[in-house]
Amino acid sequence: EVQLVESGGGLVQPGGSLRLSCAASEFTFSSYAMSWVRQAPGKGLEWVSAISGSGVSTYYADSVKGRFTISRDNSKNTLYLQMNSLRAEDTAVYYCAKHRTRSKDAFDIWGQGTMVTVSS
Amino acid sequence: QSALTQPPSVSGSPGQSVTISCTGTSSDVGSYNRVSWYQQPPGTAPKLMIYEVSNRPSGVPDRFSGSKSGNTASLTISGLQAEDEADYYCSSYTSSSTWVFGGGTKLTVL
Repeated sequence: EVQLVESGGGLVQPGGSLRLSCAASEFTFSSYAMSWVRQAPGKGLEWVSAISGSGVSTYYADSVKGRFTISRDNSKNTLYLQMNSLRAEDTAVYYCAKHRTRSKDAFDIWGQGTMVTVSS
Repeated sequence: QSALTQPPSVSGSPGQSVTISCTGTSSDVGSYNRVSWYQQPPGTAPKLMIYEVSNRPSGVPDRFSGSKSGNTASLTISGLQAEDEADYYCSSYTSSSTWVFGGGTKLTVL
């Protein structure tokens, strides 16, 4: 079964850093673009960042540009999100999502999410 | 990038049809057939229901259909069932090579 499992969430102070991971299984990971999508408590979905299958191309929402870095290790079938200079408004469940193929395609598989709380 | 506009809530009785609208701009919905719809029951991850405006992934009932006219996309659910009760989100690829979601619509089955 195609599966995505996120990890790395937790409580961090404002200005702090956190790295999220997303382990993929049962599909050819390097063939697909991947994204991170977040959902603040009681709020809607917000796209955060995407990366091409090769890892060469990356894309960011304006709200995280310059603070977050998306990357992937295709040898480990793992997607990452390095989050620096965290703010209270970054508090959310972070989902990793697989694109149907390219980064302009829909998100067809989602992980269960990992919670990030930014608070002092 | 501003969020796409969806009605906060819609409702219908079992067996009826409901339509959820999703309005964007000429930089997203109006320019690309890359509109998708997601179903999210409480406490669960989103699930893809419609991609590229009107295509259903394998396993999604044909009661779910999508369309687009200009800057507005729509999701129609016919033959409403209790299990359809959930939040629904539209999303579109944009001219900035990013993605934008709608604010979400809560569907209540009466």
